[in-house]
Amino acid sequence: GAVVSQHPSWVICKSGTSVKIECRSLDFQATTMFWYRQFPKQSLMLMATSNEGSKATYEQGVEKDKFLINHASLTLSTLTVTSAHPEDSSFYICSANTNEKLFFGSGTQLSVL
Amino acid sequence: AQSVAQPEDQVNVAEGNPLTVKCTYSVSGNPYLFWYVQYPNRGLQFLLKYITGDNLVKGSYGFEAEFNKSQTSFHLKKPSALVSDSALYFCAVRDMNTDKLIFGTGTRLQVFP
Repeated sequence: GAVVSQHPSWVICKSGTSVKIECRSLDFQATTMFWYRQFPKQSLMLMATSNEGSKATYEQGVEKDKFLINHASLTLSTLTVTSAHPEDSSFYICSANTNEKLFFGSGTQLSVL
Repeated sequence: AQSVAQPEDQVNVAEGNPLTVKCTYSVSGNPYLFWYVQYPNRGLQFLLKYITGDNLVKGSYGFEAEFNKSQTSFHLKKPSALVSDSALYFCAVRDMNTDKLIFGTGTRLQVFP
């Protein structure tokens, strides 16, 4: 079946640094990928839609300058959390569709100290 | 291990008729249950959740879900379907050990005019 690979699984960084999270579709091409954020004890919330070869579409309330998304190829989308702060600590997960099914990456737990 | 099952790949219903999208779960302890919807070319959107309290939970777009502990089910319902309800619907349960959401495989709802 289709696989979406997400790296890293977890990352700890100092406040003020930037962190890049990769989302790859391993055996299919994904012109669109989605990035979500899950706060502790909260539901999964859509952050942005990543479009191959064009700008990402951000949901209301998501800072596009804080969460940079690049979708440079049909199999890779990256989310960069710039100048991370402790309030950015969260679980980030990506997803992609193929054959009308939705596949999720394994998620990235970000902890900002 | 926590799991959730959506037994139907697709549900077809005529506009104006009631609809049900089925979901059953397997958890240890009290379940935290969610329904999400994905419209074509859009990211996953939160519909409703059950944490505790009334078994009938009301959510967005006129949807509701009924928590049934004896049948370990959390079926999504709507009294009168709209063509615009046609989408992919995902049931999810929170894994209490990892705090991550575990999704079902999705059910495609097709509402015919």
